[in-house]
Amino acid sequence: DGGITQSPKYLFRKEGQNVTLSCEQNLNHDAMYWYRQDPGQGLRLIYYSQIVNDFQKGDIAEGYSVSREKKESFPLTVTSAQKNPTAFYLCASSIRTVKDPGELFFGEGSRLTVL
Amino acid sequence: QQPVQSPQAVILREGEDAVINCSSSKALYSVHWYRQKHGEAPVFLMILLKGGEQKGHEKISASFNEKKQQSSLYLTASQLSYSGTYFCGTAKPSGAGSYQLTFGKGTKLSVIP
Repeated sequence: DGGITQSPKYLFRKEGQNVTLSCEQNLNHDAMYWYRQDPGQGLRLIYYSQIVNDFQKGDIAEGYSVSREKKESFPLTVTSAQKNPTAFYLCASSIRTVKDPGELFFGEGSRLTVL
Repeated sequence: QQPVQSPQAVILREGEDAVINCSSSKALYSVHWYRQKHGEAPVFLMILLKGGEQKGHEKISASFNEKKQQSSLYLTASQLSYSGTYFCGTAKPSGAGSYQLTFGKGTKLSVIP
């Protein structure tokens, strides 16, 4: 079955530690996205990538980093510089068209808790 | 900048209708609608493009007013399965064929028997 896999589903970390969230897709999609979800805040865009080796900052990129070395993979690192990292993180991918980013397919999410 | 959704929450009885609105202070290029049930990933409902083209769910309708920079999602004869949080997203080109998709804060819809 094609889809998006995020791991781990739950993650705990101590303050000051970096942590990397994995996102893998086998849908052959060009575009991939990372969103952060907090209660009452909706989905806020962290980073997005349209092609391999290229990515752009979203609305809340500070304290995060990404890489896109392979089409299938778009890992997100939450660095110690992120002041409030406890949140639910969603990865998505889409077939980008000329007119629009296309329908987004989301993973099941990763819930990060900083202790 | 996030699009603004209204209402923030609504409670319906089965069979009733609802309208969820989405507005932006910036020109809209396209509007996306998604529904998220508690503890699950958001699921695609519809895309509305400039010029009237729509892609998506057959049982859900929506409008897109480019001049007013608004979109509305129409849920008719609601069913219990319609419960969830509805998000609108607005897409804008960001160069080199890229698009930035920004979502609103969501509208929580509860359908009760």
